[in-house]
Amino acid sequence: QVQLAESGGGLVKPGGSLRLSCAASGFTFSDYYMSWIRQAPGKGLEWVSYISRSGDTIYYADSVKGRFTISRDNAKNSLYLQMDSLRADDTAVYYCAGAPDGDFVDNWGQGTLVTVSS
Amino acid sequence: EIVMTQSPATLSVSPGEGATLSCRASQSISTNLAWYQQKAGQAPRLLIYGAFTRATGIPARFSGSGSGTEFTLTISSLQSEDFAVYYCQQYIYWPPWTFGQGTKVEIK
Repeated sequence: QVQLAESGGGLVKPGGSLRLSCAASGFTFSDYYMSWIRQAPGKGLEWVSYISRSGDTIYYADSVKGRFTISRDNAKNSLYLQMDSLRADDTAVYYCAGAPDGDFVDNWGQGTLVTVSS
Repeated sequence: EIVMTQSPATLSVSPGEGATLSCRASQSISTNLAWYQQKAGQAPRLLIYGAFTRATGIPARFSGSGSGTEFTLTISSLQSEDFAVYYCQQYIYWPPWTFGQGTKVEIK
């Protein structure tokens, strides 16, 4: 069945770095536009970053621009998010999200928790 | 950036009753709207896209309507598994994709 599985979350100090991974299975990964969407504790959903099917188009939310880098490896069916200069307000569950046409999300991972704290 | 506003923040409903959730866009988004359901401790799940098209496997008691700036998600007869938080999302003017702040449907 269709599955997205995130990994790489954890506790990191302010200013530190973390790399999230998302492994896809059960569907043709290269057919999907992919995003990272996060949810701070007790809060709503916030789109973070988007990458096109081939990886040639990338967008970031203003809140993470210049600090986060999204990438994908279609040969490995994997999506990544390199997070640098982390701040306390980056604390959230990060979801890997797949959109067949680049608009609404029809595949979500289970999420991985990132906690930024000293 | 398009701002999505959901109301009410919390809706208290008895099982078997109906529920109506609202979502308003700060400018017209035609029917480029999706609804998601999120249960506690779980990832969101797609319910509706294109404002009124149910996603695969979504029961018929969920229905979406609206266009332009005003949208509604209706749950005709709430089951125990429907108590959750519901989010709307616009996908016409992006980036950024923007979500509403959510409506929590709780047991009355």
